[in-house]
Amino acid sequence: GAVVSQHPSWVICKSGTSVKIECRSLDFQATTMFWYRQFPKQSLMLMATSNEGSKATYEQGVEKDKFLINHASLTLSTLTVTSAHPEDSSFYICSARTGATNQPQHFGDGTRLSIL
Amino acid sequence: AQTVTQSQPEMSVQEAETVTLSCTYDTSENNYYLFWYKQPPSRQMILVIRQEAYKQQNATENRFSVNFQKAAKSFSLKISDSQLGDTAMYFCAFMKPHRTGANSKLTFGKGITLSVRP
Repeated sequence: GAVVSQHPSWVICKSGTSVKIECRSLDFQATTMFWYRQFPKQSLMLMATSNEGSKATYEQGVEKDKFLINHASLTLSTLTVTSAHPEDSSFYICSARTGATNQPQHFGDGTRLSIL
Repeated sequence: AQTVTQSQPEMSVQEAETVTLSCTYDTSENNYYLFWYKQPPSRQMILVIRQEAYKQQNATENRFSVNFQKAAKSFSLKISDSQLGDTAMYFCAFMKPHRTGANSKLTFGKGITLSVRP
């Protein structure tokens, strides 16, 4: 149980385009979803936290207009990288959790984003 | 704010041997959770083990066990009988429960790369 599906797993696109990444909880209701960014051999950097039906809370230094997060249902959150540029190339990981704080976060398999 | 420190960037261990990964943290909270996550080359984040701060007994999951020293704010992971599949990055993480639940966030350490030699 507790499966989080993230799609796509790898995307390559041209500079200036927008890219949408989906994160789905397959067998549980995800009250809260988290989006992380990770550079090679480094730790996960939290970008934003989203609660179903409300606006995402962004971490300091993360551009809200660049990284649009939508959490419209209890099983789906999306991250849209708008007008992507090469410096946005990275590995993006989502995770999901139910509302109970004693439950662990479950992670998706990540999305490798390459902007040419 | 909470911080998690993993001071060793890399470690190597012979297959079948035991290895201990270090983690310290800083917090003024009394109630919290600690985690070890594994990230193999596939880059999927896998929960290895979890410890509730109010529990004195160290958590154990098969070959993985922790040494939780609350007063010292130390949370090390011991891997017994190391296997080639244990090769991965390991992240120590801290979480403070929030009354609403939704605002509880993981704070990760920098991670350590563990290589298991055949």
